[in-house]
Amino acid sequence: DQQVKQNSPSLSVQEGRISILNCDYTNSMFDYFLWYKKYPAEGPTFLISISSIKDKNEDGRFTVFLNKSAKHLSLHIVPSQPGDSAVYFCAATRVSAGGTSYGKLTFGQGTILTVHP
Amino acid sequence: GAGVSQSPSNKVTEKGKDVELRCDPISGHTALYWYRQRLGQGLEFLIYFQGNSAPDKSGLPSDRFSAERTGESVSTLTIQRTQQEDSAVYLCASSLRRGEQFFGPGTRLTVL
Repeated sequence: DQQVKQNSPSLSVQEGRISILNCDYTNSMFDYFLWYKKYPAEGPTFLISISSIKDKNEDGRFTVFLNKSAKHLSLHIVPSQPGDSAVYFCAATRVSAGGTSYGKLTFGQGTILTVHP
Repeated sequence: GAGVSQSPSNKVTEKGKDVELRCDPISGHTALYWYRQRLGQGLEFLIYFQGNSAPDKSGLPSDRFSAERTGESVSTLTIQRTQQEDSAVYLCASSLRRGEQFFGPGTRLTVL
């Protein structure tokens, strides 16, 4: 039962253009969403997150959009750079009523982003 | 300070042997998580420790898998009688507050 899905296994874009990575989820209990970037032979690195009370969060070149009704989120990278080439994972979790993490992150399968110079 | 560290970085073992993987979380992080990533797949939750609370073991795939954590420091993940399907990268993460988990580089386990 894949509760978080990234349906595009790979994405190729030209340097300077926008990269859009998509993620869908099925569990309506999820209320906090994160994007991680992973280079080969390294652990995932946290990029950006969004709470379900928001529909957009921006940090520099990275913007995450959340559409709760569609249970869909996306990560926009503008402008894309060759150093952005990596595997991007979407993750989701449920925050307890106390405001602390419920614990486990549920990850999508990842999307390989390649940015061509 | 230092990030999450894991050892060994690579482990090759024979089917049926036991293995022990170690994780040193970021100092002061109360929560510690173990995940694994099989080839071509996403990260799969295994177990979660939060302070002195009982661990969430809901992701452990079988009773061959166990993990311990001493206080808010080192954790070890033990796999007994390893099988070929246990081959994966085992990732440890720690966090101070909600959601933003910091990952170690992982241990690549190969079971022959």
